[in-house]
Amino acid sequence: AQTVTQSQPEMSVQEAETVTLSCTYDTSESDYYLFWYKQPPSRQMILVIRQEAYKQQNATENRFSVNFQKAAKSFSLKISDSQLGDAAMYFCAYRRRYGNKLVFGAGTILRVKS
Amino acid sequence: EAGVTQFPSHSVIEKGQTVTLRCDPISGHDNLYWYRRVMGKEIKFLLHFVKESKQDESGMPNNRFLAERTGGTYSTLKVQPAELEDSGVYFCASSQILAGGPSSYNEQFFGPGTRLTVL
Repeated sequence: AQTVTQSQPEMSVQEAETVTLSCTYDTSESDYYLFWYKQPPSRQMILVIRQEAYKQQNATENRFSVNFQKAAKSFSLKISDSQLGDAAMYFCAYRRRYGNKLVFGAGTILRVKS
Repeated sequence: EAGVTQFPSHSVIEKGQTVTLRCDPISGHDNLYWYRRVMGKEIKFLLHFVKESKQDESGMPNNRFLAERTGGTYSTLKVQPAELEDSGVYFCASSQILAGGPSSYNEQFFGPGTRLTVL
């Protein structure tokens, strides 16, 4: 069975600085997707960024980028120029390529200080 | 376009009572998923509907949980009788079925969740 581990229950970052959230996963599959989701307080969870395992290039979406290390089964999220609106719970998730269900980590609370 | 909606947003019930959660997916989304997050832990998959059919219910914890999706539109998740360990946030998500088949990436859109507290 696949598992996703987020070892940082909580992180803090100063506004305008950079923060990295960690995620490791375990799978025997070779083809899969990895995701970072953001859930702001009392709001819906939204997709931040997606990585396809067969792509070596790290995904980037504006201020959000990932460091995907397939051999190490590591998938960290870097947020540059942090903003107050980035404060949220962040979940790392995995999905088999030919599957539907998402496997999530326990989440990391990100606090942004002004 | 309306997103995924869930009702109620909060529910507080006594142990042994029955609760029904509702999810309305995005219009046209044939895939519907239920997930649950117990406090402080990971979000766990419960089940997956394709239209009105249960495609995968491997995550359903026990037979006190009953999910339905009559007509392939909205879905309900009933817990009967509720136990203390059922407390948590229940999320619903929906996605399209894409022409490219199961290998195609189809984003799951999540609802805001229902926070269930069993006392």
